[in-house]
Amino acid sequence: GQQLNQSPQSMFIQEGEDVSMNCTSSSIFNTWLWYKQDPGEGPVLLIALYKAGELTSNGRLTAQFGITRKDSFLNISASIPSDVGIYFCAGHNAGGTSYGKLTFGQGTILTVHP
Amino acid sequence: NAGVTQTPKFQVLKTGQSMTLQCAQDMNHNSMYWYRQDPGMGLRLIYYSASEGTTDKGEVPNGYNVSRLNKREFSLRLESAAPSQTSVYFCASSATGVRETQYFGPGTRLLVL
Repeated sequence: GQQLNQSPQSMFIQEGEDVSMNCTSSSIFNTWLWYKQDPGEGPVLLIALYKAGELTSNGRLTAQFGITRKDSFLNISASIPSDVGIYFCAGHNAGGTSYGKLTFGQGTILTVHP
Repeated sequence: NAGVTQTPKFQVLKTGQSMTLQCAQDMNHNSMYWYRQDPGMGLRLIYYSASEGTTDKGEVPNGYNVSRLNKREFSLRLESAAPSQTSVYFCASSATGVRETQYFGPGTRLLVL
């Protein structure tokens, strides 16, 4: 089945630094999603990408849909303490039996030191 | 607009007990999903419902049953809870289509002793 490799698994950074994380897939996706999960909460959608090569921003967050459709990247600029949490990527392939089902990465745990 | 709501927030069960986790969405979405989240395992799909009246197994369906009560509500039932079902359960919903975007509830934390 489809697998997503998300890296890095964890990051420890200083406040103000920029952050980059990525996901790669063994299969092509039609949609890439990035979620953030705070402790004790459900995942919250940050950015949705629907087209290869698409670059989308949400405040200090920027995500890109890779041209090969097998990868995606998330960047956070000028990190602040409230950026702490787990970031998940998720991919969707609209075809066949995968219709409607997301494949999730394992998550990147982000720690920001003041 | 509450989005996706789940009840209860926390639950402790003894092995063999049964319970139903409730989920409702107010976004008029067609599709609804149940996931479990375990440390190091990420989010795994248990069951999903592509539309009212249909349900299908996901990646880890054993030990669970679901009911799509109506378009808004999708429940998950544990008939005989086992310690291996200790987890955090999330419900999600989506409009369904080529642009699949799922929205998650706050989760139910279940401990089976």
